[in-house]
Amino acid sequence: DSGVTQTPKHLITATGQRVTLRCSPRSGDLSVYWYQQSLDQGLQFLIQYYNGEERAKGNILERFSAQQFPDLHSELNLSSLELGDSALYFCASSLLDRPWGETQYFGPGTRLLVL
Amino acid sequence: QQQVKQSPQSLIVQKGGISIINCAYENTAFDYFPWYQQFPGKGPALLIAIRPDVSEKKEGRFTISFNKSAKQFSLHIMDSQPGDSATYFCAASMSAAGNKLTFGGGTRVLVKP
Repeated sequence: DSGVTQTPKHLITATGQRVTLRCSPRSGDLSVYWYQQSLDQGLQFLIQYYNGEERAKGNILERFSAQQFPDLHSELNLSSLELGDSALYFCASSLLDRPWGETQYFGPGTRLLVL
Repeated sequence: QQQVKQSPQSLIVQKGGISIINCAYENTAFDYFPWYQQFPGKGPALLIAIRPDVSEKKEGRFTISFNKSAKQFSLHIMDSQPGDSATYFCAASMSAAGNKLTFGGGTRVLVKP
């Protein structure tokens, strides 16, 4: 158990809908990362927050947004869902975002299926 | 653009054998190279990591070899066990860019008893 929790575990929804994925980082970790894992794109970085502020952005669609709250939990919002958004969404956390070698601990993921 | 290329996509090895997975990267600004292990239904978990000023790092049965001039690094799993059957991902990150991980495509390893 990495100490990172994600809810829900599974999510089934329809195209055009909006969903929110939740992540609680390990106790004490300030940095949260979101990754998407799909069969065709592999594991891809979406976005990073550090102590409530956006720190880095990857290939995140404009329909997706995220935030990190004062208690350090994070939410990933996916809107106007398309079939291609079906994937595993992982949250990871680390103590800081620097320096070198900061281990990222991954949660169990949320499996999203868009029908 | 795939910045980290991983091969092979899959690998079958006999128990006790050696599993070798290779990765190549393009961005010379990368300064951290971890390997993650993922079991079905689970999130990736850090296995071992190396920095570019070290040519080899060993932890138990797992060894990373790093060739900075060739921009390549590899994972060797010695004395492979059925419990090692998993998907392995190489990754790279740069501390100047927030340590976001760029992953290779993954290698599915099956260790036959």
